[in-house]
Amino acid sequence: TQLLEQSPQFLSIQEGENLTVYCNSSSVFSSLQWYRQEPGEGPVLLVTVVTGGEVKKLKRLTFQFGDARKDSSLHITAAQTGDTGLYLCAGAASGGSNYKLTFGKGTLLTVNP
Amino acid sequence: DTGVSQDPRHKITKRGQNVTFRCDPISEHNRLYWYRQTLGQGPEFLTYFQNEAQLEKSRLLSDRFSAERPKGSFSTLEIQRTEQGDSAMYLCAIRQGGNYGYTFGSGTRLTVV
Repeated sequence: TQLLEQSPQFLSIQEGENLTVYCNSSSVFSSLQWYRQEPGEGPVLLVTVVTGGEVKKLKRLTFQFGDARKDSSLHITAAQTGDTGLYLCAGAASGGSNYKLTFGKGTLLTVNP
Repeated sequence: DTGVSQDPRHKITKRGQNVTFRCDPISEHNRLYWYRQTLGQGPEFLTYFQNEAQLEKSRLLSDRFSAERPKGSFSTLEIQRTEQGDSAMYLCAIRQGGNYGYTFGSGTRLTVV
């Protein structure tokens, strides 16, 4: 069974601060995705990383895929209140054809004004 | 508009009753997934369709659960003889192929009382 562990589970910061969220596994994934979910809604895809060592930037968000494709991080610069939400990482197994995703439990981020 | 419509958004039912949820992708996608998310957890895989064929079912999907995708477009998920442990958000998702991630619907929140 592939497991993804996210840390921290909860994070409460002030607007303008920087933060990093981690996603770790002992398994290798063919790709890893990050989603953001708001209460009562489905997750919304932020990014997909595929290549070991890959770094992708989405405005103030920076995503990195580990060299061994077992872990990933999400860094937010100068957080804003609109960044508040549940951040989920999800991995697709190597060699799988159904593209079934394994999700972590998520990091609940609260950005205070 | 997420590209996937789910109905109903909320359902409250008494224990022992049957419930059915519907998922309608706006455009044709051959791969459709059902996930379940409980409080404090990430989404967990339930089942997967390629066109009208149900290709994989999780062990989470007991005999009380059945899913269909009769014409390879919309899908339904039925739970018979609901139990309190079935209370969760049921999410439907499509995948656009390549390295694209999922597009999720807004989910159906089920509460069994």
